[in-house]
Amino acid sequence: GAGVSQTPSNKVTEKGKYVELRCDPISGHTALYWYRQSLGQGPEFLIYFQGTGAADDSGLPNDRFFAVRPEGSVSTLKIQRTERGDSAVYLCASSLDFGPYNEQFFGPGTRLTVL
Amino acid sequence: TQLLEQSPQFLSIQEGENLTVYCNSSSVFSSLQWYRQEPGEGPVLLVTVVTGGEVKKLKRLTFQFGDARKDSSLHITAAQPGDTGLYLCAGANRRSARQLTFGSGTQLTVLP
Repeated sequence: GAGVSQTPSNKVTEKGKYVELRCDPISGHTALYWYRQSLGQGPEFLIYFQGTGAADDSGLPNDRFFAVRPEGSVSTLKIQRTERGDSAVYLCASSLDFGPYNEQFFGPGTRLTVL
Repeated sequence: TQLLEQSPQFLSIQEGENLTVYCNSSSVFSSLQWYRQEPGEGPVLLVTVVTGGEVKKLKRLTFQFGDARKDSSLHITAAQPGDTGLYLCAGANRRSARQLTFGSGTQLTVLP
């Protein structure tokens, strides 16, 4: 029971390749978030889902990044044509969606390394 | 763009000492949260402050939100080695409470 789970925990890929990162939120949490955390920095917001739809994708850095949540539970972050600068820890969080001060519960992250 | 600056970036102290970590911005936030993150894990929420001037206490940790809701501080009394970790402040965007803006963090090491 669990908390937010993310797979894989580590991913090493080569420049130009495509990667998918998976997030399993806490059961019953309707809101899901993706963040990216570079070494020595705080997490940076990427995208927020409410149910199946992306309610705010203003943090996605460019069109190589895309995320889906087709059934309103599991989400996949997809990165095309990876670049070395994409190397970071990708964090997923989920929350109940009532009230303005929702507590976001974070997963352990996927460490992506682009060689 | 709303930015949060944290200071100090690194802090190493002896067990039993007190410390204060600061989180400052030129922007107003509707609420501010403090998280603690350990290596290989995601951040864990410690507290949310929402009212200007608000003070919240969590055991040996005291959190304060500035009157103008632009800054916050975290004070730890009698630090213990178990307090070691990365402390992050995060502000909720006034347009969208869901989009958290994180500071760059304060890495605290408490030596026994």
